[in-house]
Amino acid sequence: QSALTQPASVSGSPGQSITISCTGTSSDVGGYNYVSWYQQHPGKAPKLMIYDVSNRPSGVSNRFSGSKSGNTASLTITGLQAEDEADYYCSSYTSSNTLVFGTGTKVTVL
Amino acid sequence: EVQLLESGGGLGQPGGSLRLSCAASGFTLSNYAMNWVRQAPGKGLEWVSGISGSGGSTHYADSVKGRFTISRDNSKSTLYLQMNSLRAEDTAVYYCARVRSTFYFYYAMDVWGQGTTVTVSS
Repeated sequence: QSALTQPASVSGSPGQSITISCTGTSSDVGGYNYVSWYQQHPGKAPKLMIYDVSNRPSGVSNRFSGSKSGNTASLTITGLQAEDEADYYCSSYTSSNTLVFGTGTKVTVL
Repeated sequence: EVQLLESGGGLGQPGGSLRLSCAASGFTLSNYAMNWVRQAPGKGLEWVSGISGSGGSTHYADSVKGRFTISRDNSKSTLYLQMNSLRAEDTAVYYCARVRSTFYFYYAMDVWGQGTTVTVSS
């Protein structure tokens, strides 16, 4: 199972909005609504930001939102803040009954 | 406080074995499926294995199938990963993570441990 494809890096200025894409196939992202997004700061454990494509866990800022169209899922961060600078990973259930993560995206706040 | 604490990492020989443990506290382990996820140095996240709340259903990535075994002892609130036939490419930080489901490992992971480092080298 190949990793889902994410852009290596995305950047934006404070207050701006950015979107991170996560592209898979009909056997993973496109076939199921079990897409999650995780934030990871350097040297830290990942943190769940979005589950089931577009749901936000309690305690996660409403500046984070998720969506899906076809085989591509997206994470949007609005009102970008310095603390949002981190690596972001998507994940999806697959038809092989496994989980697959994305390649990861480094978000830089300019 | 809900917490996961991994242990058991260290230096392993190629072809050797290690057993990782993940101690859960602040919640009832049997109510949750669990996963192991690893991250090689400077690389991205890789799902390794998952297990249902009862332990009756286990799942593995192709890269570890036949070499790693996931198990749990709910009476001890502990998750395990037995790693055999170690390879250099198994070198990584290994995280245990709680799943937002009792039965299905593929739901989102909402609680993560701090990770334990495994280095495979002679």
